[in-house]
Amino acid sequence: SAVISQKPSRDICQRGTSLTIQCQVDSQVTMMFWYRQQPGQSLTLIATANQGSEATYESGFVIDKFPISRPNLTFSTLTVSNMSPEDSSIYLCSVGGSGTGEKLFFGSGTQLSVL
Amino acid sequence: KNQVEQSPQSLIILEGKNCTLQCNYTVSPFSNLRWYKQDTGRGPVSLTIMTFSENTKSNGRYTATLDADTKQSSLHITASQLSDSASYICVVSARGSQGNLIFGKGTKLSVKP
Repeated sequence: SAVISQKPSRDICQRGTSLTIQCQVDSQVTMMFWYRQQPGQSLTLIATANQGSEATYESGFVIDKFPISRPNLTFSTLTVSNMSPEDSSIYLCSVGGSGTGEKLFFGSGTQLSVL
Repeated sequence: KNQVEQSPQSLIILEGKNCTLQCNYTVSPFSNLRWYKQDTGRGPVSLTIMTFSENTKSNGRYTATLDADTKQSSLHITASQLSDSASYICVVSARGSQGNLIFGKGTKLSVKP
């Protein structure tokens, strides 16, 4: 199993500012993933954080809005840039789940509210 | 289009009662189906993972079933406890990369004393 520490757990931010979310894993993992969970909606994959190369973004998500860093195999950050109220969501990092039957582990999430 | 539909959207039951949550999917090619429990303010935690050949799997008071022919799964909770109050999310994986995990919107379960 993997233990994932994510912070901050929640934040209230002003429109136009940026927030960086950190994710620390207790073991080295090849891939880390960032998800967004909007109120009443399912989880949506934002991007895959790759160590040593640029993150891979899903359709509808761009690097300028959600820059990601992955400096080593245990750590990643997601920045939500130039925030608007529509960015109010829970943001989750995760590891695993790539193989059949492989468990997918999630961090505890960051509850973001943008005023 | 790959989709995962869960029902009901929300459910209220009394402590000690049983309940069943439903998940229908149209994901292809199918790889596996997972059920997660998400407490309020927390990340989802895995309950069960089932592949194509498995039709039932238990984890304590949680029992998941899978009918790959009808593309339906259920999560049965026995003798519910207050701590079972959470959202339960069905996730279906298509064969391939992480990007092929399809998440349902979840069923919000409230267990009342």
